[in-house]
Amino acid sequence: GQQLNQSPQSMFIQEGEDVSMNCTSSSIFNTWLWYKQDPGEGPVLLIALYKAGELTSNGRLTAQFGITRKDSFLNISASIPSDVGIYFCAGQYGNQFYFGTGTSLTVIP
Amino acid sequence: DTGVSQDPRHKITKRGQNVTFRCDPISEHNRLYWYRQTLGQGPEFLTYFQNEAQLEKSRLLSDRFSAERPKGSFSTLEIQRTEQGDSAMYLCASSSTFLAKNIQYFGAGTRLSVL
Repeated sequence: GQQLNQSPQSMFIQEGEDVSMNCTSSSIFNTWLWYKQDPGEGPVLLIALYKAGELTSNGRLTAQFGITRKDSFLNISASIPSDVGIYFCAGQYGNQFYFGTGTSLTVIP
Repeated sequence: DTGVSQDPRHKITKRGQNVTFRCDPISEHNRLYWYRQTLGQGPEFLTYFQNEAQLEKSRLLSDRFSAERPKGSFSTLEIQRTEQGDSAMYLCASSSTFLAKNIQYFGAGTRLSVL
């Protein structure tokens, strides 16, 4: 299957700081998605990207679909305690979705 | 608004037993996906249905696993002769190909523990 490398694996930040995480792949994807997962729950969609170069915001979240179609990044500005969780990137190719290994975010009040 | 619903939320079973999980997708979503997620990993694709047809299966789906979606609405995932390695979170997601953007929405998952 497709391999998505997500980094960093974990982050510990102070409340109010900005966060940046990224996802790279050896393969091209048609769609990039970013999800957040809380413990014991399913992933919740944050942002979906459909075109190379696309930059999309959702409140304090901004994500970009890389020009090469092999990477994407997610930024969170002015982090708050409820941003805590695991963030997953996912790439779509054909009818299948491939997920990264996740970035665990801890926000220290 | 009813999202994707999965039942049960937790299942503890002994090795060798059979288990069955149910997923109710968002109504009118024609696609339904099953994923498996182990600790520290992202979801891994198992299989998906379009309406009642099972269109794709991952190599992760051994012959002990079977999924059905008989009427194109809810789906079941059965694991026969469970093994300890089957312990994981089993996630269901649904989407609609009739919408411009085929976005997947996930349920809360069924956590399986095989003792």
